[in-house]
Amino acid sequence: GDSVTQMEGPVTLSEEAFLTINCTYTATGYPSLFWYVQYPGEGLQLLLKATKADDKGSNKGFEATYRKETTSFHLEKGSVQVSDSAVYFCALSELGLSQAGTALIFGKGTTLSVSS
Amino acid sequence: DTGVSQDPRHKITKRGQNVTFRCDPISEHNRLYWYRQTLGQGPEFLTYFQNEAQLEKSRLLSDRFSAERPKGSFSTLEIQRTEQGDSAMYLCAGRSGTEAFFGQGTRLTVV
Repeated sequence: GDSVTQMEGPVTLSEEAFLTINCTYTATGYPSLFWYVQYPGEGLQLLLKATKADDKGSNKGFEATYRKETTSFHLEKGSVQVSDSAVYFCALSELGLSQAGTALIFGKGTTLSVSS
Repeated sequence: DTGVSQDPRHKITKRGQNVTFRCDPISEHNRLYWYRQTLGQGPEFLTYFQNEAQLEKSRLLSDRFSAERPKGSFSTLEIQRTEQGDSAMYLCAGRSGTEAFFGQGTRLTVV
């Protein structure tokens, strides 16, 4: 079945450091790929998404590129801030707009801790 | 604020008791999902509704779990005869199109 594997944390960085969180996936079809973020005490929020190969999702300085050839969707940010400290989840869904069902499948999450 | 609300936010119950959680998505969310998240893990899919019809259930959803979405609006998730292994965060998500909007979850502790 479909699955998502992301690098284990915690990832500890100093402010303004470069961030990469690796994510690879296994899927039978052509999934959409997502990064969700969970700040302490809050619910999951969509950070960015990409719906087809070579698409780049971006938001709040974070970027991820859908790489079909390597089945990857690595999250990057050039300069992290203390406020970026959170748990980051990579996820996929094979939902097409015309299809019913198909839930998001999540990785285990990577905790990012940024210190000043 | 995603517009998806869940109630209660926290629930402590004794083993063997029944509990019920509620999720209120926004009206545009014709699709509604329930997930379970345990410590150190990503959310795992439990069940899915398209409007009022329950279309998909995970193998994680044992016979003690039941979910409803009357009239295609709010949804409830009931757990009967709770066990300590049911302790987790229960998340609800509403979806229209490709994006899912999550509530803040209900944290269940079974003692």
